[in-house]
Amino acid sequence: KNEVEQSPQNLTAQEGEFITINCSYSVGISALHWLQQHPGGGIVSLFMLSSGKKKHGRLIATINIQEKHSSLHITASHPRDSAVYICAVHFSGTYKYIFGTGTRLKVLA
Amino acid sequence: NAGVTQTPKFQVLKTGQSMTLQCAQDMNHEYMSWYRQDPGMGLRLIHYSVGAGITDQGEVPNGYNVSRSTTEDFPLRLLSAAPSQTSVYFCASSQDRFYEQYFGPGTRLTVT
Repeated sequence: KNEVEQSPQNLTAQEGEFITINCSYSVGISALHWLQQHPGGGIVSLFMLSSGKKKHGRLIATINIQEKHSSLHITASHPRDSAVYICAVHFSGTYKYIFGTGTRLKVLA
Repeated sequence: NAGVTQTPKFQVLKTGQSMTLQCAQDMNHEYMSWYRQDPGMGLRLIHYSVGAGITDQGEVPNGYNVSRSTTEDFPLRLLSAAPSQTSVYFCASSQDRFYEQYFGPGTRLTVT
């Protein structure tokens, strides 16, 4: 069983739709990161969470520590949001980051 | 600031050859790491360093060596390349392991 599971694997949306990407993990964590990988391959860090909620522009990330679950929301989606979104978890007591396999998002105009 | 730089961007090796992937950062970050990304799999940690002179193995260290003689540089050495090492390699740095990671642009390596 993967330690970090993301869903869905692929997502196609129309411009303007509200999008949710989910991440679940198996054991206690110190921090959870959301990353964006552009079609050209570059990786950018979007959020780091250890509790609660963070917002940046049209992006919102939440985490529920008890349920071991995090969500990334995109409001008013735009074609430029098309990318792979990756959840990465830093497990408590280790230096390990474990990455999900990513959610490939395509937003159509 | 240049951020995290990686060279080369592309490389083709023959089986058995050795090479070094270069990674440098100019943000005075203590934590640096190397990942490989393969189709259908998440990024996997190869080696990491928590400061100059200190390195440790990640999830998939076999066939790779690292050293950290300065805060800025963290090269990854392939000792004897194998086709299984065909991958995209990313270097990343952060202020500390709990902080936002900054990624380099990646090196696409093909071993024939």
